[in-house]
Amino acid sequence: EDKVVQSPLSLVVHEGDTVTLNCSYEVTNFRSLLWYKQEKKAPTFLFMLTSSGIEKKSGRLSSILDKKELFSILNITATQTGDSAVYLCAAHSGTYKYIFGTGTRLKVLA
Amino acid sequence: GAGVSQSPSNKVTEKGKDVELRCDPISGHTALYWYRQSLGQGLEFLIYFQGNSAPDKSGLPSDRFSAERTGGSVSTLTIQRTQQEDSAVYLCASSLSGGAFYEQYFGPGTRLTVT
Repeated sequence: EDKVVQSPLSLVVHEGDTVTLNCSYEVTNFRSLLWYKQEKKAPTFLFMLTSSGIEKKSGRLSSILDKKELFSILNITATQTGDSAVYLCAAHSGTYKYIFGTGTRLKVLA
Repeated sequence: GAGVSQSPSNKVTEKGKDVELRCDPISGHTALYWYRQSLGQGLEFLIYFQGNSAPDKSGLPSDRFSAERTGGSVSTLTIQRTQQEDSAVYLCASSLSGGAFYEQYFGPGTRLTVT
């Protein structure tokens, strides 16, 4: 059965800390992996990863994929309170379906 | 431009009633997805549309759930004879096309509460 597992489930840090969020996946016909940030209702897109070893970067956020070990990480440096959210990872399985993990809830304290 | 919109934003209904949830995708997006998110859970895939057809209905939890899409645009998700376990946030997403290399844009969701 296809599955995506995220860890840790939740994390509390202080402003300025660096965090690493993990996503491991087991899906058939893997094609891509997406990261989203969910603050209230609508998840907002962060990164799409398709190739191993190529880091995607946007400001203080970066992500990388390891297709051999079947995982991805999302790094956030110099965290801010505005980074507090649930971070979702999704792996593409088969022709149309994304399988989502349960997310990592990040809380950044001032 | 306008993003994905959903209505209503909140719906409270009594057990046994039918409900309809609406999704307006981004103009020009041919792929449309429905997900369900229960409290503390990840997104559960329900159904995918490419144009007006639904090649994958595998995620619909029971025959009480149905969805349609008309004109390659608006989609409605209907839940008949609602049960308390149907309470969740229902999210709709659209993308330029189906497949693995198109990001999905999400709407704000409809929070359904079945009493």
